[in-house]
Amino acid sequence: AQTVTQSQPEMSVQEAETVTLSCTYDTSESDYYLFWYKQPPSRQMILVIRQEAYKQQNATENRFSVNFQKAAKSFSLKISDSQLGDAAMYFCAYRSGDTGNQFYFGTGTSLTVIP
Amino acid sequence: EAGVAQSPRYKIIEKRQSVAFWCNPISGHATLYWYQQILGQGPKLLIQFQNNGVVDDSQLPKDRFSAERLKGVDSTLKIQPAKLEDSAVYLCASSLLGGTYEQYFGPGTRLTVT
Repeated sequence: AQTVTQSQPEMSVQEAETVTLSCTYDTSESDYYLFWYKQPPSRQMILVIRQEAYKQQNATENRFSVNFQKAAKSFSLKISDSQLGDAAMYFCAYRSGDTGNQFYFGTGTSLTVIP
Repeated sequence: EAGVAQSPRYKIIEKRQSVAFWCNPISGHATLYWYQQILGQGPKLLIQFQNNGVVDDSQLPKDRFSAERLKGVDSTLKIQPAKLEDSAVYLCASSLLGGTYEQYFGPGTRLTVT
């Protein structure tokens, strides 16, 4: 099974500053998809951004962007101009493109935004 | 578009009792997932359905957990008998078929076993 590793259990950032959350994964597949999900305290998990492995261009969604390094199997999330509402657990997820479309989640990074 | 619905939102039971959770996925989503999320951890897949069939239930404790998805739509997850370590949030998610599609999550059911 694929494994997803988030090595930073906790991170903090000053409001309006930039923070980068790390994620690495292990796979032998060539067809896969990567996601970052956000889970605010006691609230629903929502998608932040996705990246198709076959695309070389890094995905961007407003203040959120990724640095996808396929050879290194790295998929980090950059949050620019951090806002108080960005405080949440962030989960990196891998989805197989071949074998049953299973999702594999990392253990999460808890982001604190300091006013 | 309505989201993934789950009920109940909260449940408190004593150990050895049974409990059932219900999930209604987004209309048209063929794939449905049940996850267990223990506080401070990432979601752990319990079972994945594709339409009516089970794709993956390798991490489902089958001696006490069961799940079904009737007619490829709603799903129920049951625990019988519950143990203290089953205290967690149970998340239901659904997705269209195809790798590029993300999962949509429901609000979850917070289970406390005393």
